[in-house]
Amino acid sequence: DTAVSQTPKYLVTQMGNDKSIKCEQNLGHDTMYWYKQDSKKFLKIMFSYNNKELIINETVPNRFSPKSPDKAHLNLHINSLELGDSAVYFCASSQVGRTGFGYTFGSGTRLTVV
Amino acid sequence: TQLLEQSPQFLSIQEGENLTVYCNSSSVFSSLQWYRQEPGEGPVLLVTVVTGGEVKKLKRLTFQFGDARKDSSLHITAAQPGDTGLYLCATTPFGNEKLTFGTGTRLTIIP
Repeated sequence: DTAVSQTPKYLVTQMGNDKSIKCEQNLGHDTMYWYKQDSKKFLKIMFSYNNKELIINETVPNRFSPKSPDKAHLNLHINSLELGDSAVYFCASSQVGRTGFGYTFGSGTRLTVV
Repeated sequence: TQLLEQSPQFLSIQEGENLTVYCNSSSVFSSLQWYRQEPGEGPVLLVTVVTGGEVKKLKRLTFQFGDARKDSSLHITAAQPGDTGLYLCATTPFGNEKLTFGTGTRLTIIP
């Protein structure tokens, strides 16, 4: 019973390609997020959606476009991939107002751009 | 400059030893969380501290929130190889559910 599942686990692709990462949560949470973890293991928020509405959009290149078809799903599409996009991308979910319960993270998608 | 600075960045100790890692900031927070991330997995919440001076225990792990709510520490007693991982502190500094992470401490326990 995976709470937050993201696919694929690994993604190797060439520069210039377009790729998507999918995320689904079965916790009934109303907010979902995308985080990027760099080679130094620093985790930085990219986007946040609450009930399908974009609420946080950090300074991320517009080649990155999140889409939330419903509150249980948040996908990330990346256009024209660049070498610097190589990282581990994590999806997470939470319930607004229940900060003490923390965020639940997926197991990550390791993206390698060659 | 990061909002949450963690130290040490790396720590490698023998099984059975005790250790403390720190999470520091110049800002005051309403709450702070600690997560552990194992290789190939996402971070998993360990604890949330809310009150200044608060101490919480989770088996061999003791978490403390500073009196001024600007810093926190994690103490592990009799470390075991299963404690190996990346320890992250995190907070929502702007009250908008934007969880911001610290710089992390990579802990390795040597059997």
